[in-house]
Order: sequence, then C-alpha cells, then structure tokens
Amino acid sequence: EVQLVESGGGLVQPGGSLRLSCAASGFSFSNYEMNWVRQAPGKGLEWISYISISVNTKYYADSVKGRFTISRDNAKNSLYLQMNSLRAEDTAIYFCARDRDYYDPSADRGVFDYWGQGTLVTVSS
Amino acid sequence: IVMTQSPATLSVSPGERATLSCRASESVNSNLAWYQHKPGQAPRLLIYSASTRATGIPARFSGSGSGTEFTLTISSLQSEDFALYYCQHYNNWPRGFGQGTKVEIK
Repeated sequence: EVQLVESGGGLVQPGGSLRLSCAASGFSFSNYEMNWVRQAPGKGLEWISYISISVNTKYYADSVKGRFTISRDNAKNSLYLQMNSLRAEDTAIYFCARDRDYYDPSADRGVFDYWGQGTLVTVSS
Repeated sequence: IVMTQSPATLSVSPGERATLSCRASESVNSNLAWYQHKPGQAPRLLIYSASTRATGIPARFSGSGSGTEFTLTISSLQSEDFALYYCQHYNNWPRGFGQGTKVEIK
C-alpha cells in the first residue's frame, strides 16, 4: 500500500525556519518524481515545488522561490522541504504528492496520484 | 496559466447529476486532472488527461474537454461524493489548480 506521511509542521515566528519531511512507503520511491502542494486556511490548493528522481531538476512557485528548498534522500525514502524566511502567508497545510514513475513511458508528469494527509504550518508571532 | 472553476458551490440531491466546470486562461491541451478533497484527508486523483479515470475511480465520474474548457460530471451523486473538487493543469510550469468547487447536499 502506497503511503506518504508528512511531519515537521508546527508554530513558527515570522522570519523563522522549518523543515518538513515526507516518509514514503509501499512503492519504489527512487523511481518517482515528487512534489509539495499546500492549502492555506479557507483557500484552494497551491503547487509549490517539484523534484526529479535524480535531484538534478527542481521547480518552485514564485511565491516560495528563493526561500524554500526541496530535496530528497532516496536511500531513506524521504522527501523534504526546507522553509526559510517564513511569512504569515505561508501558513497552510503542506502535502507531499507523488508524481510520475520516471521509468514508465506512458505516465504523465504532473499528475499527482497519491498524496499524504498533510502537516500544518502556522507562521505567527 | 489561471484556472477558474465554476460554480464555487453546487447544491445537489443524492442521485442527481453534478456538472463542474474548469476553464484555463490559455490552452493546456489535454493536460488536465481532477481531484476530490475532503477536510482532514489526502486529496484523491479522479481524472487525468482530461478524461481518463484513475485506478479504482467509479464509472459515475467522467471528464471531458480539451484546450481551455473542461467538465467533470458525476452521473449520480452518492453520499461519499459530497466534497471539494479541484481541477489542475500540468501543461507547463508552474502547475496550477483551480480554486475549487464545493459539492454540497441540497
């Protein structure tokens, strides 16, 4: 069974930092591209970052570029999001989401077939 | 690319049909997915490539459209279908979601 479990959320002051983790199980994590998506209170979903299987390629939403860094450790089946210079508007539930199997030629990049339940980040003084 | 969903809220009786719309500000070809999201749960992939049901998704869910206009139809609403629904394009970067349509019990 595919499982994605986020952790690391919490209350942080504006300007502070936090590192989120996503533990993956039930599939060959190293074969899959991964993403982070967030949902601010009362708002819709917002894609914020992508990472390739080899970590050579990363993309970010403009709203987090230069402040957030996505990474992964394939040996630990884990995805990470380092969040620096946090702002009140970063308050949200953060989800990790599985993207395509890189080795499946029929798979569409950008389709998120499994998601975690999310971890809440609150930025407030 | 800006994704716009309508209506914001759809009130439907169980057993009735629900039709949700999603419009892209420019063509996304058929690179469009639909997700169902219930509070406190992980979002669930319903449809990708505009019209392909994901694994395990009941046949009452169907998607159509291409270019800039897309539709998600739930043919006969079941109690478990009352939720938020999002469309998402993956035609280019950044990926974009619509603001969501809430399907509620009438």
